[in-house]
Amino acid sequence: KQEVTQIPAALSVPEGENLVLNCSFTDSAIYNLQWFRQDPGKGLTSLLLIQSSQREQTSGRLNASLDKSSGRSTLYIAASQPGDSATYLCAVLTFGDYKLSFGAGTTVTVRA
Amino acid sequence: DADVTQTPRNRITKTGKRIMLECSQTKGHDRMYWYRQDPGLGLRLIYYSFDVKDINKGEISDGYSVSRQAQAKFSLSLESAIPNQTALYFCATSDRWEDQETQYFGPGTRLLVL
Repeated sequence: KQEVTQIPAALSVPEGENLVLNCSFTDSAIYNLQWFRQDPGKGLTSLLLIQSSQREQTSGRLNASLDKSSGRSTLYIAASQPGDSATYLCAVLTFGDYKLSFGAGTTVTVRA
Repeated sequence: DADVTQTPRNRITKTGKRIMLECSQTKGHDRMYWYRQDPGLGLRLIYYSFDVKDINKGEISDGYSVSRQAQAKFSLSLESAIPNQTALYFCATSDRWEDQETQYFGPGTRLLVL
């Protein structure tokens, strides 16, 4: 059974600092890994999707890396802004499975 | 308009009551999902449906049932609500499985069972 862990559970940084969010998973036989953003009352929004054959994906200030063999992914957010305050969830799609396995999330607060 | 809508957005009910949470989507996707989220835990899959005639249990289906009334509609029912079903419930849709598949989530329904 795939287990996904996110550390830390919460993070508070001053505006402008770079954010580093970690995700680990136990079964490396995955199709892809996704990072989602969750805002209160607005559901989840997909930020980045990394296929199993890729090592990273970038979108604006966001960069996600994937080390499938070690079961780890890192989401980097450059030059954080108060609008980046949210909960970030990592999810993997495992071979032979038909559902996403989610981590519990990292709640980020960016102080102005 | 939102692509995935959920009604109601908030609900308070009493133990033993039957309630239904509804989900509608305008994305034209075949695949629909119901998840619940509890504090400190990731989203857990309750049920999923790959098309109108296909319904599958997820990892925590006990105490829940679903109905796929049409491609665009997927309802979740709690036949006899209990307090530990208090949670945030999300509906999601997806178009394709492997590789590029992503899921699109509704805004969630916050359920409190007293």
